[in-house]
Amino acid sequence: GAGVSQSPSNKVTEKGKDVELRCDPISGHTALYWYRQSLGQGLEFLIYFQGNSAPDKSGLPSDRFSAERTGGSVSTLTIQRTQQEDSAVYLCASSLGGAGDNEQFFGPGTRLTVL
Amino acid sequence: QKEVEQDPGPLSVPEGAIVSLNCTYSNSAFQYFMWYRQYSRKGPELLMYTYSSGNKEDGRFTAQVDKSSKYISLFIRDSQPSDSATYLCAMGGGETSGSRLTFGEGTQLTVNP
Repeated sequence: GAGVSQSPSNKVTEKGKDVELRCDPISGHTALYWYRQSLGQGLEFLIYFQGNSAPDKSGLPSDRFSAERTGGSVSTLTIQRTQQEDSAVYLCASSLGGAGDNEQFFGPGTRLTVL
Repeated sequence: QKEVEQDPGPLSVPEGAIVSLNCTYSNSAFQYFMWYRQYSRKGPELLMYTYSSGNKEDGRFTAQVDKSSKYISLFIRDSQPSDSATYLCAMGGGETSGSRLTFGEGTQLTVNP
């Protein structure tokens, strides 16, 4: 079956512009995660959605970052007024979300470059 | 201090060698442990998943977790050039982490033919 898909695969933007990154999780997965991977660093947790529960936003680095998940499926990560330090690969993952289910499956990522 | 420490390498071995990759961690609440493989410009691919302490084997790969030492390992037997990638350890669980994963920096491995 189809895995996690993300779009666009690459995004180049100018400092100060807003960007939207999209994630389509695996069908039937109720949990969705966003991570950020910067050069020379491991993956950094950003935000987590589980079903209809309030999202865990504790990893968002600033109020310029926001995310939503519509209809329990597709998610959009929005970065407002982008800065050069926002340049990174943004990865989305999904999991079944049941009790004890912790295996997260990742998409290919969106490579964001802020000039 | 990072919650999860992983030597970034790079690590270079000849084909057929046994590879040992390791991570240490400081959060004793972590309950489950994973290894991901990431090829260049691709998303991480789940290799191994282990819950609590013990060993798990899958083909040429063996994962070990020692919670008393806060130390996890991934062994690759009969390494192949196709194993050349970055290997990321990840862990989660417990009240402080919930469902999020905390990752190591990743170890870059090259297997030379």
